[in-house]
Amino acid sequence: GQQLNQSPQSMFIQEGEDVSMNCTSSSIFNTWLWYKQEPGEGPVLLIALYKAGELTSNGRLTAQFGITRKDSFLNISASIPSDVGIYFCAGQLSQGGSEKLVFGKGTKLTVNP
Amino acid sequence: NAGVTQTPKFRVLKTGQSMTLLCAQDMNHEYMYWYRQDPGMGLRLIHYSVGEGTTAKGEVPDGYNVSRLKKQNFLLGLESAAPSQTSVYFCASSLRTRDYFYEQYFGPGTRLTVT
Repeated sequence: GQQLNQSPQSMFIQEGEDVSMNCTSSSIFNTWLWYKQEPGEGPVLLIALYKAGELTSNGRLTAQFGITRKDSFLNISASIPSDVGIYFCAGQLSQGGSEKLVFGKGTKLTVNP
Repeated sequence: NAGVTQTPKFRVLKTGQSMTLLCAQDMNHEYMYWYRQDPGMGLRLIHYSVGEGTTAKGEVPDGYNVSRLKKQNFLLGLESAAPSQTSVYFCASSLRTRDYFYEQYFGPGTRLTVT
């Protein structure tokens, strides 16, 4: 099946640091979504991107839809302990089965106070 | 709105037993999905539905059946549970926007252990 390459797999940072993670694919996507999952919970939608080149913010989070439509990144500024969790990217393919999403395997973020 | 709810939250089964997981959404979404999440594997799509009375196979459908008799409910069944089906199961629903974009909203999950 389709794959999204999400990196890094894990990050250990100090409170206050900025964080950057990204997803890449060989396929073109119509939509990029970023989710956060906390332990014992379901993924929660953070940001949705719909246009190539689009840059969208949600508080301290900023995400961009790559110009080639094959990648996206998520930045978190001034991290705090409650940012801990697993961040997933997901993409909606531009053709064929577009009602389904393709998910990355996640970036596990640990923030040390 | 409760969003997406799942029943039960936890379950332990013996090999060969059957069970049904229930997903309900109150957002009037057309599309519903069942995923399983295993360590290091991310989210894998089991089955999905594009509307009441329809179902389709996802990436890992073997050993599971689904039904969508009502728009708000999506049931996932295990006819004969196997230890390989030990996992956390998530239901999601989405609305198709005018431009054919889909944002999926997830339930809290069901943790299933098969011994």
